[in-house]
Amino acid sequence: DTAVSQTPKYLVTQMGNDKSIKCEQNLGHDTMYWYKQDSKKFLKIMFSYNNKELIINETVPNRFSPKSPDKAHLNLHINSLELGDSAVYFCASSQDLTSAPRGYTFGSGTRLTVV
Amino acid sequence: DAKTTQPPSMDCAEGRAANLPCNHSTISGNEYVYWYRQIHSQGPQYIIHGLKNNETNEMASLIITEDRKSSTLILPHATLRDTAVYYCIVRVAGVGGGGADGLTFGKGTHLIIQP
Repeated sequence: DTAVSQTPKYLVTQMGNDKSIKCEQNLGHDTMYWYKQDSKKFLKIMFSYNNKELIINETVPNRFSPKSPDKAHLNLHINSLELGDSAVYFCASSQDLTSAPRGYTFGSGTRLTVV
Repeated sequence: DAKTTQPPSMDCAEGRAANLPCNHSTISGNEYVYWYRQIHSQGPQYIIHGLKNNETNEMASLIITEDRKSSTLILPHATLRDTAVYYCIVRVAGVGGGGADGLTFGKGTHLIIQP
């Protein structure tokens, strides 16, 4: 069983569209995250969710909105997609906020291409 | 977080030990050294971490200098599957140690294992 799974793996869409990326973890973790890896391969955190509550919101555009229907799921919804949103988006989870960095488990990523 | 410096790329022959250096001269006393790796088209994977003593697990060994200003990740018998980008991260453990603020990944070292 995949611990952290993301769908879709690839997503190609036109500018201006709205899209969602789904993430599910079966580890029983309390905290989930979204990371963005840009074309220069820098991996940066976007959001953290702990027990369905948004903990941090880095300086990302408000076109990006995380939605968590339950503890095991954290979806990323993106409105009005722009060319600069093209990147690989990774979902991750950890037991809780006090987990040391060793406790992170990452998904395999969603490659978003905006044309 | 303390800044880390890693060589952008390294080559290693298959079956030999791969030694990946990391400089972290501004590390604080309560900061750990963590190593992650990212295999192509996958999410980052935790490898090992340490505070000041050398550490070993089934994946690798971590050697931290006595002054803690640098460390070396050792893959004892590198295989082709070890080809990946290796990230050295310095971070406190516990709250704020990757939970609330996420992990900060630099550019890492692209390790290429040659057959």
